[in-house]
Amino acid sequence: EVQLVQSGAEVKKPGESLRISCKGSGYNFANYWIAWARQMPGKGLEWMGITHSSGSDLRYSPSFEGQVTISADKSISTAYLHWSSLKASDTAMYYCARRIIAVGATSGGGFDSWGQGTLVTVSS
Amino acid sequence: QTVVTQEPSFSVSPGGTVTLTCGLRSGSVSTSYYPSWYQQTPGQAPRTLVYNTATRSSGVPDRFSGSILGNKAALIITGAQADDECDYYCSLYMGGGIWVFGGGTKVTVL
Repeated sequence: EVQLVQSGAEVKKPGESLRISCKGSGYNFANYWIAWARQMPGKGLEWMGITHSSGSDLRYSPSFEGQVTISADKSISTAYLHWSSLKASDTAMYYCARRIIAVGATSGGGFDSWGQGTLVTVSS
Repeated sequence: QTVVTQEPSFSVSPGGTVTLTCGLRSGSVSTSYYPSWYQQTPGQAPRTLVYNTATRSSGVPDRFSGSILGNKAALIITGAQADDECDYYCSLYMGGGIWVFGGGTKVTVL
């Protein structure tokens, strides 16, 4: 069974750094990409960016470029989302999701499995 | 402004059929955008219903189907049930390794 398990809820102060994680199991992590999405309280999903399992190929939404850093360590089947200096406006639920592409395709696709979410609260 | 458009809300009667759409502020959606659909109940993580336009995710009942209708992607729900009442999001692949989610549609079953 494919599973993405995210790290637990975090409460941080503005200006602090934070890294949350997403560990994949039940499939060959090395063959897939992992995306991150934000959901602010009462709002919709926002696509943030995506990393190949190797961590060597990354894409960011223009809205999030420079605001967060996405990485991955395929040796431990884990993807990460990192902030160097949190703001109150980063308060949200964050989800990771596995990219699925059509057989024979090399681009596109959607997301077929999701983590349970990590709630990040930033407050002074 | 939202690049990917969805109806903000939709009502359907129990047992009825509802068609949710996913469009572009400018242009037409085709299979090249790999439209995918996700269901989210309050307090839960999203659940994938359909990806790559029409491929149902594992365990998703065939009451849910995806297609292209006109210039938009569509999620058709037949035989609506009470637990279909939740939020539905689409995603489109915009090229260059970038995806965008739609703003979501809140479906009410009454």
